[in-house]
Amino acid sequence: QVQLVESGGGVVQPGGSLTLSCVASGFSFSTFGMHWVRQAPGKGLEWVALIRYDGSKMYHADSVRGRFTISRDNPKNTLYLQMVSLREEDTGVYYCANNRGYSDYWGQGTLVTVSS
Amino acid sequence: EIVMTQSPATLSVSPGERATLSCRASQSVSSSLAWYQQKPGQAPRLLIYGASTRATGIPARFSGSGSGTEFTLTISSLQSEDFAVYYCQQYNNWPPWTFGQGTKVEIK
Repeated sequence: QVQLVESGGGVVQPGGSLTLSCVASGFSFSTFGMHWVRQAPGKGLEWVALIRYDGSKMYHADSVRGRFTISRDNPKNTLYLQMVSLREEDTGVYYCANNRGYSDYWGQGTLVTVSS
Repeated sequence: EIVMTQSPATLSVSPGERATLSCRASQSVSSSLAWYQQKPGQAPRLLIYGASTRATGIPARFSGSGSGTEFTLTISSLQSEDFAVYYCQQYNNWPPWTFGQGTKVEIK
């Protein structure tokens, strides 16, 4: 069955860095664009970034552009989100999801906490 | 950026009753509109895409309608497992992909 498993979350100080990973199985990962979507505690869903199926183009939300970088390794069925210069407002659960415009495959999320 | 506005913020409904949730887009998104259900501690679950097509395995009591800027999600007879937060999302004009702020359906 389809699985997306995120990892790499944790507690980091403001200004710090983290890299999230999302390992895919059960579907043809290399044929889908992939998103990162986040959710601050008690808040709604916020799109963060998308990478095309072949990694040829990336899009980032204004709130993270210049600080976050989405990437992928298709032979490893893995999606990444490199995050630097983290801020307290980056705290939340980060989900990876496939892209059909909408998303029907979601991971369970990994929690990132930015706090001093 | 297209802004998605959902109403109401909270909907109190008794089990077995109908629930009607609204989503408005700041400009036309054609039929490129999805609805998701999210329960506490869980990832979002796709319910509807293309404004009115149920996703795989979604019960028939969930239906979507609308096009352009006005959309509705209807749950015909609420079951206990339907109490959750519901989000709409547009995918017509991107980036960014944008979500509504959510409607919480709670037990009356």
